[in-house]
Parts: sequence; structure tokens; C-alpha cells
Amino acid sequence: EDKVVQSPLSLVVHEGDTVTLNCSYEVTNFRSLLWYKQEKKAPTFLFMLTSSGIEKKSGRLSSILDKKELFSILNITATQTGDSAIYLCAVQYNFNKFYFGSGTKLNVKP
Amino acid sequence: DTAVSQTPKYLVTQMGNDKSIKCEQNLGHDTMYWYKQDSKKFLKIMFSYNNKELIINETVPNRFSPKSPDKAHLNLHINSLELGDSAVYFCASSQDGNGRGPNTGELFFGEGSRLTVL
Repeated sequence: EDKVVQSPLSLVVHEGDTVTLNCSYEVTNFRSLLWYKQEKKAPTFLFMLTSSGIEKKSGRLSSILDKKELFSILNITATQTGDSAIYLCAVQYNFNKFYFGSGTKLNVKP
Repeated sequence: DTAVSQTPKYLVTQMGNDKSIKCEQNLGHDTMYWYKQDSKKFLKIMFSYNNKELIINETVPNRFSPKSPDKAHLNLHINSLELGDSAVYFCASSQDGNGRGPNTGELFFGEGSRLTVL
């Protein structure tokens, strides 16, 4: 069964647009939710969220977690072509265990 | 200095061959992982080692055998390669401590090893 579901699977926008990526999950012993950006090679870490309702922000990217409704969103404002990538959501449960979603492929056109 | 390094980065081989991928991390982490990323970009956990001890062994054919000589290294050996093994294999590490130490939760990934089986 799917434990981490991301939507949309792919998205095409133009520079300057704002996008919202979704991640819903269903796991026991939840510990944290993580967002990664994957361009051509290794996924790189963006955010780790452990508490509901506390927004994490880094430049034009921000993310928030809702532990009651079991989802997280990743917002990107004023998108740039360099934001084109696959964005991965992962949920950590128990120790040393991570489930990844299938990712959202974002394409930002000039 | 590369935090998590994998070799080789690319591997092209014939069906039936045996191959290995090596991984080393210099972050002092206690947990290392192997993930397989298929053509749809879905990252699936294969194995996880904590302090050289196998803690996660997902449903993976026994042709895949991980080996951890020490907590900074986790190698992956694949016997009798099949076409379906073609994928990118990512090594990762994290600091967890199983509740006895600080847990950053963050996974650090290597750059991946692209395996193509012909």
C-alpha cells in the first residue's frame, strides 16, 4: 500500500508563478517529514518538519506540516528555471526508516 | 570533500554477471542505506545498516547482498544480474542512534551509481 503520496505527479509553470506541492502520508510511529530536491544526481535536503503548524522557510521555499490531517505542502514563490527538478517527500517512522513518495516533477519555463 | 561517495558512478554490464558498488561516508554517521531509484524516479529502500548491523532488509532478491565492514562503509554486491536490475542505486547515511543519541533525521545521499544491464 502507498504510505507516502505526492501530488501532482508533474507540473509545468512559467517563471514567476507560485506553486504548491502536496504530500500526504499514512504511517505509524511518525517521527518527521522531509522534503528533498533532486536535479540530475543526488537528492538534496530542503526541510525537515516534526511539528504541526510551524512553517519552515528558506528563501522562496516554505513548507508546513499538518499532523492531524497527515499532510505537508511545499510552496515555491516567484519560480525560476533553476527550480526545475523532482521534489521528493519522505516520511521517517521508527528509527532509521524512511518512506519516499514518487515525487513531483516541476518544470519551470522561461 | 564528498560526504557520501559511491563508486562506480556508471556501470554497464551483461546479464548474468556479478558486480559490486561501494559506498563510503565521512560524516561519522551511524546508519547507512541503499536505495534503488527506478525509471519512474521512485526511491525504494533496499537495506539499512546501523553500526554495521543489518536493520532493514526489504523484499529484495537474495542476489543482492550488502556488506558493511565498518560503520563508514556499506557495499552492495549483486549476483547474476538481470535486465530488471537496471536502475540508479543511491547510498545514503544518517545519524540516528536508535533513540540513544541525537537524531537529525536528515538523509545525506551519494551521487548515485547508474547500473545498466544489457
